[in-house]
Amino acid sequence: QQQVKQSPQSLIVQKGGISIINCAYENTAFDYFPWYQQFPGKGPALLIAIRPDVSEKKEGRFTISFNKSAKQFSLHIMDSQPGDSATYFCAARAFAGGTSYGKLTFGQGTILTVHP
Amino acid sequence: DGGITQSPKYLFRKEGQNVTLSCEQNLNHDAMYWYRQDPGQGLRLIYYSQIVNDFQKGDIAEGYSVSREKKESFPLTVTSAQKNPTAFYLCASSRPGQGVYNSPLHFGNGTRLTVT
Repeated sequence: QQQVKQSPQSLIVQKGGISIINCAYENTAFDYFPWYQQFPGKGPALLIAIRPDVSEKKEGRFTISFNKSAKQFSLHIMDSQPGDSATYFCAARAFAGGTSYGKLTFGQGTILTVHP
Repeated sequence: DGGITQSPKYLFRKEGQNVTLSCEQNLNHDAMYWYRQDPGQGLRLIYYSQIVNDFQKGDIAEGYSVSREKKESFPLTVTSAQKNPTAFYLCASSRPGQGVYNSPLHFGNGTRLTVT
């Protein structure tokens, strides 16, 4: 079964610190690795995504690091803010044409709390 | 503003009853998806549809049914055959054809179903 394993389950960081969430996968057919951010009572929203031919992608305070040989990728949140407190999901997709655009395999989620 | 509307936000049903969750989108997206979210398990794909009158089973389709009579609508029925229906249900859409890396999933704000 395709799986994406995410850690830690929960993370507490002080304001201004760095939050790091890790994901690992087995399926080498995965070709797209997005991260989603979810606030309580809301649906997830795409935060940042990376392709396997890129080792790092940065958007503002958010950076994805990708290690293809280790089959691991991680989200780094620099200068973490209380407003970043949310649940974060990593995901992966093995594109097979047609409707597989949205067929994502999600990690278990990480609850991030940033203390002021 | 374009988006995905899921209704109702909270739904309560007695065991043994079928219940239908509504999902409407005005993003003009061709593909629509239903995911189920359980604490500590991430999101899992129930059903998906690329075009009207066509849909495919996801990873956990047993006990669920869908229809796609209009491009804008993709209702999900949770039947009495679903053994553990209490969960947070998320509808999503995407617009294939923009390239495999440019068709992110857009989620609604979910329906929390409680069956007792």
